Amino acid sequence: GAVVSQHPSWVICKSGTSVKIECRSLDFQATTMFWYRQFPKQSLMLMATSNEGSKATYEQGVEKDKFLINHASLTLSTLTVTSAHPEDSSFYICSASPFRISEAFFGQGTRLTVV
Amino acid sequence: AQKITQTQPGMFVQEKEAVTLDCTYDTSDQSYGLFWYKQPSSGEMIFLIYQGSYDEQNATEGRYSLNFQKARKSANLVISASQLGDSAMYFCAMSPSSGGSYIPTFGRGTSLIVHP
Repeated sequence: GAVVSQHPSWVICKSGTSVKIECRSLDFQATTMFWYRQFPKQSLMLMATSNEGSKATYEQGVEKDKFLINHASLTLSTLTVTSAHPEDSSFYICSASPFRISEAFFGQGTRLTVV
Repeated sequence: AQKITQTQPGMFVQEKEAVTLDCTYDTSDQSYGLFWYKQPSSGEMIFLIYQGSYDEQNATEGRYSLNFQKARKSANLVISASQLGDSAMYFCAMSPSSGGSYIPTFGRGTSLIVHP
């Protein structure tokens, strides 16, 4: 199947700093990518839809200024957690789909810890 | 609006036995897709199987099969011949498929433990 690569797989940062997470589709072009947040033992919560060449579409309750999403090319989307606080600590995971809906693949996820 | 319900927070199965993980859904869309993912403790989401709402036959992928009952709005995952490596969280998801877009809604997940 298709490969979606997410980097880094884990990161620890100080409170107040910003962290950038990358999501790449390695063998297909993805005009749309999705960013999720997952708390321990809970389901995936869709944060935003990243659209190549345009602004991201954020889900209700997600702070646009805190979670900056950039989809600069057909193979790369980035999520930047700005001015991170301990409550931003979570597992963040991206997904991308080739054109056919029957295929949807996820990155490896990033475990963010803010201290 | 879409809703996915997984009523089994945890399931236990003995190695080599079959297990069924339940999933029911609710949607007003006529065309949609149903997915199952496996999430081991490492966190990655592994795509297992897909069923389209207009597919007449139940999807199968190796040891995984999807028992699709459209009238009942259920899409249960059946894992045959369970292996120790099947121990993980399993998520059911659905997405409307009109326009070719994929906007998934996930269930709360079922934790499967396979014991020897």
